[in-house]
Amino acid sequence: ETGVTQTPRHLVMGMTNKKSLKCEQHLGHNAMYWYKQSAKKPLELMFVYSLEERVENNSVPSRFSPECPNSSHLFLHLHTLQPEDSALYLCASSQDFGGTYNEQFFGPGTRLTVL
Amino acid sequence: AQSVAQPEDQVNVAEGNPLTVKCTYSVSGNPYLFWYVQYPNRGLQFLLKYITGDNLVKGSYGFEAEFNKSQTSFHLKKPSALVSDSALYFCAVRDIYHLDSNYQLIWGAGTKLIIKP
Repeated sequence: ETGVTQTPRHLVMGMTNKKSLKCEQHLGHNAMYWYKQSAKKPLELMFVYSLEERVENNSVPSRFSPECPNSSHLFLHLHTLQPEDSALYLCASSQDFGGTYNEQFFGPGTRLTVL
Repeated sequence: AQSVAQPEDQVNVAEGNPLTVKCTYSVSGNPYLFWYVQYPNRGLQFLLKYITGDNLVKGSYGFEAEFNKSQTSFHLKKPSALVSDSALYFCAVRDIYHLDSNYQLIWGAGTKLIIKP
């Protein structure tokens, strides 16, 4: 595997379910990100981890819980979601966080549908 | 407030014609500017960036972008469009001079580019 991978690619869940999204980067990067992508809206940055420490939490509801066990893996734990949480969730990585021009590398995303 | 605007939701271009996807930004300091492309069912891919120096930046797949400080724009261009260029294009800016920016990228809403044969 190369680049940034995400599983599952598609997820349908009820509002009472608990599920997790997984992201893995094979690039040796130190920073990882979760974004929410909704149609015709700018990407919303949810969480940033740098060297396994959370450095950014953009007022995301507590029903989204991130976990970064090591610099290669990032999880997003989902619990008691709402239908408006349905979106494409993108994981990204970059060499460093705060590096002023390090471009980000994105995974293919998980298409989440909350019923 | 810092912002990025992509004024066109969709751009339609005939194959072989030049294309332009527009982006304007508003930041207080000097910006670092990026273009990303998203093909169907794929994540975003980095195309090019402007940091400093020559205002014309060349990137992947024959794309280029021109930084215009006076117009606060960073339009994406290609001299001859291909059908395979059809995708969603995102402009993003990083404001490095505001401590509260935390080096976050500020994203535009995206422009759908459709190249017709």
